Amino acid sequence: EPEVTQTPSHQVTQMGQEVILRCVPISNHLYFYWYRQILGQKVEFLVSFYNNEISEKSEIFDDQFSVERPDGSNFTLKIRSTKLEDSAMYFCASSKNTEAFFGQGTRLTVV
Amino acid sequence: AQTVTQSQPEMSVQEAETVTLSCTYDTSESDYYLFWYKQPPSRQMILVIRQEAYKQQNATENRFSVNFQKAAKSFSLKISDSQLGDAAMYFCAYRSALGANNLFFGTGTRLTVIP
Repeated sequence: EPEVTQTPSHQVTQMGQEVILRCVPISNHLYFYWYRQILGQKVEFLVSFYNNEISEKSEIFDDQFSVERPDGSNFTLKIRSTKLEDSAMYFCASSKNTEAFFGQGTRLTVV
Repeated sequence: AQTVTQSQPEMSVQEAETVTLSCTYDTSESDYYLFWYKQPPSRQMILVIRQEAYKQQNATENRFSVNFQKAAKSFSLKISDSQLGDAAMYFCAYRSALGANNLFFGTGTRLTVIP
Protein backbone atom coordinates (compact mmCIF):
# COMPACT_ATOMS: atom_id res chain seq x y z
CA GLU A 1 0.00 0.00 0.00
CA PRO A 2 1.43 3.41 -0.92
CA GLU A 3 2.45 5.59 1.98
CA VAL A 4 3.91 8.96 2.80
CA THR A 5 7.53 8.70 3.89
CA GLN A 6 9.48 11.24 5.88
CA THR A 7 13.17 11.59 6.56
CA PRO A 8 14.88 11.81 8.92
CA SER A 9 12.83 10.26 11.69
CA HIS A 10 14.70 12.31 14.26
CA GLN A 11 16.75 15.48 13.80
CA VAL A 12 18.72 17.31 16.45
CA THR A 13 19.93 20.78 15.61
CA GLN A 14 21.47 23.75 17.35
CA MET A 15 19.43 26.89 17.81
CA GLY A 16 19.93 29.24 14.88
CA GLN A 17 20.76 26.50 12.41
CA GLU A 18 18.76 25.74 9.30
CA VAL A 19 16.99 22.42 8.93
CA ILE A 20 15.29 20.76 6.01
CA LEU A 21 12.69 18.11 6.62
CA ARG A 22 11.94 15.84 3.72
CA CYS A 23 8.81 14.07 2.60
CA VAL A 24 7.84 11.85 -0.29
CA PRO A 25 4.08 12.09 -0.73
CA ILE A 26 1.98 9.37 -2.30
CA SER A 27 2.70 9.51 -6.00
CA ASN A 28 -0.72 10.32 -7.47
CA HIS A 29 -1.68 12.82 -4.78
CA LEU A 30 -2.06 16.48 -5.64
CA TYR A 31 -2.22 18.24 -2.29
CA PHE A 32 0.63 18.31 0.21
CA TYR A 33 0.69 19.54 3.77
CA TRP A 34 2.91 20.11 6.75
CA TYR A 35 1.57 19.90 10.28
CA ARG A 36 3.30 20.32 13.61
CA GLN A 37 2.67 18.72 16.98
CA ILE A 38 4.45 20.15 20.00
CA LEU A 39 4.86 17.45 22.64
CA GLY A 40 1.61 16.86 24.49
CA GLN A 41 -0.35 19.28 22.36
CA LYS A 42 -2.66 19.04 19.40
CA VAL A 43 -1.67 18.77 15.78
CA GLU A 44 -1.50 22.17 14.12
CA PHE A 45 -1.68 23.02 10.45
CA LEU A 46 1.31 24.85 8.98
CA VAL A 47 0.92 24.97 5.22
CA SER A 48 -0.71 23.36 2.22
CA PHE A 49 0.74 23.15 -1.26
CA TYR A 50 -1.00 22.59 -4.57
CA ASN A 51 0.02 23.02 -8.17
CA ASN A 52 3.53 24.07 -7.18
CA GLU A 53 2.50 26.86 -4.87
CA ILE A 54 1.31 27.49 -1.36
CA SER A 55 -2.48 27.35 -1.22
CA GLU A 56 -3.00 28.01 2.49
CA LYS A 57 -0.80 28.79 5.45
CA SER A 58 -1.37 29.36 9.13
CA GLU A 59 -0.05 32.17 11.27
CA ILE A 60 2.59 29.77 12.57
CA PHE A 61 4.09 29.60 9.09
CA ASP A 62 6.08 32.82 9.22
CA ASP A 63 9.10 33.98 7.23
CA GLN A 64 11.31 31.42 8.94
CA PHE A 65 9.50 28.64 7.13
CA SER A 66 9.46 27.73 3.48
CA VAL A 67 8.31 24.77 1.42
CA GLU A 68 9.49 23.45 -1.86
CA ARG A 69 8.81 20.67 -4.28
CA PRO A 70 12.24 20.49 -5.88
CA ASP A 71 11.45 17.55 -8.15
CA GLY A 72 8.52 15.32 -8.98
CA SER A 73 8.62 13.35 -5.77
CA ASN A 74 10.02 15.28 -2.80
CA PHE A 75 8.28 17.90 -0.71
CA THR A 76 10.45 19.75 1.79
CA LEU A 77 9.97 22.03 4.76
CA LYS A 78 12.82 24.38 5.58
CA ILE A 79 13.20 26.22 8.84
CA ARG A 80 15.72 28.97 8.28
CA SER A 81 16.93 29.75 11.78
CA THR A 82 15.60 27.32 14.32
CA LYS A 83 14.37 28.38 17.73
CA LEU A 84 13.90 26.28 20.85
CA GLU A 85 10.14 26.49 20.42
CA ASP A 86 10.39 24.84 17.00
CA SER A 87 11.03 21.54 18.78
CA ALA A 88 8.11 19.33 17.78
CA MET A 89 6.97 16.44 15.63
CA TYR A 90 6.52 17.55 12.05
CA PHE A 91 4.10 15.59 9.95
CA CYS A 92 3.87 15.62 6.21
CA ALA A 93 0.58 14.61 4.63
CA SER A 94 -0.79 14.25 1.14
CA SER A 95 -4.24 13.87 -0.32
CA LYS A 96 -5.91 13.21 -3.62
CA ASN A 97 -9.46 14.02 -2.68
CA THR A 98 -10.88 14.10 0.81
CA GLU A 99 -8.64 11.98 2.98
CA ALA A 100 -5.20 13.08 4.07
CA PHE A 101 -2.59 10.40 4.63
CA PHE A 102 0.18 11.17 7.06
CA GLY A 103 3.81 10.20 7.20
CA GLN A 104 5.38 8.82 10.35
CA GLY A 105 6.72 12.22 11.32
CA THR A 106 10.09 13.80 11.98
CA ARG A 107 10.92 14.61 15.56
CA LEU A 108 12.85 17.87 15.57
CA THR A 109 14.80 18.73 18.69
CA VAL A 110 16.39 22.18 18.88
CA VAL A 111 19.09 22.51 21.52
CA ALA B 1 -11.39 29.44 12.07
CA GLN B 2 -13.21 26.26 12.87
CA THR B 3 -12.70 24.82 16.34
CA VAL B 4 -12.80 21.20 17.37
CA THR B 5 -13.27 20.25 21.01
CA GLN B 6 -12.54 16.95 22.66
CA SER B 7 -13.63 17.22 26.27
CA GLN B 8 -12.18 13.90 27.45
CA PRO B 9 -8.40 14.09 27.80
CA GLU B 10 -8.29 10.46 28.93
CA MET B 11 -10.56 7.46 28.71
CA SER B 12 -10.17 3.82 29.63
CA VAL B 13 -12.03 0.71 28.58
CA GLN B 14 -11.91 -2.93 29.51
CA GLU B 15 -10.77 -5.23 26.73
CA ALA B 16 -13.76 -6.48 24.67
CA GLU B 17 -15.98 -3.69 25.97
CA THR B 18 -17.31 -0.65 24.12
CA VAL B 19 -16.15 2.92 24.56
CA THR B 20 -17.35 6.21 23.10
CA LEU B 21 -15.08 9.19 22.53
CA SER B 22 -16.70 12.62 22.26
CA CYS B 23 -16.06 15.41 19.81
CA THR B 24 -17.86 18.66 19.13
CA TYR B 25 -17.03 21.30 16.58
CA ASP B 26 -17.99 24.79 15.67
CA THR B 27 -18.56 25.91 12.09
CA SER B 28 -20.82 28.12 10.03
CA GLU B 29 -20.37 25.94 6.97
CA SER B 30 -22.95 23.43 5.84
CA ASP B 31 -20.69 21.13 3.88
CA TYR B 32 -17.61 19.63 5.46
CA TYR B 33 -15.86 16.41 6.43
CA LEU B 34 -15.12 14.97 9.83
CA PHE B 35 -12.44 12.45 10.68
CA TRP B 36 -11.10 10.40 13.52
CA TYR B 37 -7.36 9.76 13.51
CA LYS B 38 -5.51 7.35 15.75
CA GLN B 39 -2.00 8.10 16.97
CA PRO B 40 -0.33 5.08 18.61
CA PRO B 41 2.95 5.38 20.54
CA SER B 42 4.81 5.28 17.22
CA ARG B 43 3.32 8.80 16.72
CA GLN B 44 2.09 8.14 13.18
CA MET B 45 -1.37 9.55 12.41
CA ILE B 46 -3.65 6.82 11.09
CA LEU B 47 -7.06 7.53 9.61
CA VAL B 48 -9.75 5.55 11.41
CA ILE B 49 -12.99 6.78 9.90
CA ARG B 50 -14.49 9.71 8.02
CA GLN B 51 -17.93 11.24 7.68
CA GLU B 52 -19.31 13.57 5.03
CA ALA B 53 -21.63 16.18 6.50
CA TYR B 54 -24.16 15.82 3.70
CA LYS B 55 -24.65 12.15 4.51
CA GLN B 56 -27.18 11.38 7.22
CA GLN B 57 -26.04 7.81 7.60
CA ASN B 58 -23.37 7.30 10.23
CA ALA B 59 -20.09 5.91 8.93
CA THR B 60 -18.92 2.48 10.04
CA GLU B 61 -15.58 0.74 9.64
CA ASN B 62 -15.55 -2.71 11.23
CA ARG B 63 -15.47 -2.16 15.01
CA PHE B 64 -15.45 1.63 14.63
CA SER B 65 -18.58 3.67 14.12
CA VAL B 66 -19.58 7.28 14.56
CA ASN B 67 -22.62 9.07 15.87
CA PHE B 68 -22.90 12.19 13.74
CA GLN B 69 -25.38 14.76 14.98
CA LYS B 70 -25.15 17.67 12.54
CA ALA B 71 -27.57 19.99 14.32
CA ALA B 72 -25.74 19.50 17.59
CA LYS B 73 -22.33 19.66 15.84
CA SER B 74 -21.34 16.46 17.54
CA PHE B 75 -19.24 13.63 16.14
CA SER B 76 -18.51 10.82 18.59
CA LEU B 77 -16.51 7.67 17.92
CA LYS B 78 -17.64 4.31 19.22
CA ILE B 79 -15.15 1.48 19.46
CA SER B 80 -16.76 -1.91 19.95
CA ASP B 81 -15.03 -5.04 21.23
CA SER B 82 -12.00 -2.99 22.27
CA GLN B 83 -8.62 -4.57 21.71
CA LEU B 84 -5.24 -3.88 23.27
CA GLY B 85 -4.06 -2.49 19.95
CA ASP B 86 -6.71 0.21 20.14
CA ALA B 87 -4.76 1.95 22.89
CA ALA B 88 -3.65 5.28 21.43
CA MET B 89 -4.37 8.99 21.24
CA TYR B 90 -7.48 9.67 19.19
CA PHE B 91 -7.90 12.97 17.39
CA CYS B 92 -11.08 14.33 15.94
CA ALA B 93 -10.57 16.56 12.89
CA TYR B 94 -12.61 18.87 10.68
CA ARG B 95 -12.09 19.80 7.06
CA SER B 96 -14.08 22.22 4.97
CA ALA B 97 -15.59 20.91 1.73
CA LEU B 98 -15.00 24.26 0.07
CA GLY B 99 -11.87 26.33 -0.19
CA ALA B 100 -9.15 25.46 2.30
CA ASN B 101 -8.69 21.73 2.69
CA ASN B 102 -6.45 21.65 5.72
CA LEU B 103 -7.50 19.80 8.86
CA PHE B 104 -8.41 21.35 12.18
CA PHE B 105 -7.68 18.98 15.04
CA GLY B 106 -9.02 18.62 18.54
CA THR B 107 -6.71 18.24 21.51
CA GLY B 108 -7.05 14.47 21.55
CA THR B 109 -8.26 11.74 23.90
CA ARG B 110 -5.82 9.20 25.28
CA LEU B 111 -7.48 5.79 25.29
CA THR B 112 -6.19 3.07 27.59
CA VAL B 113 -7.35 -0.50 27.12
CA ILE B 114 -7.30 -2.59 30.27
CA PRO B 115 -6.63 -6.29 29.79
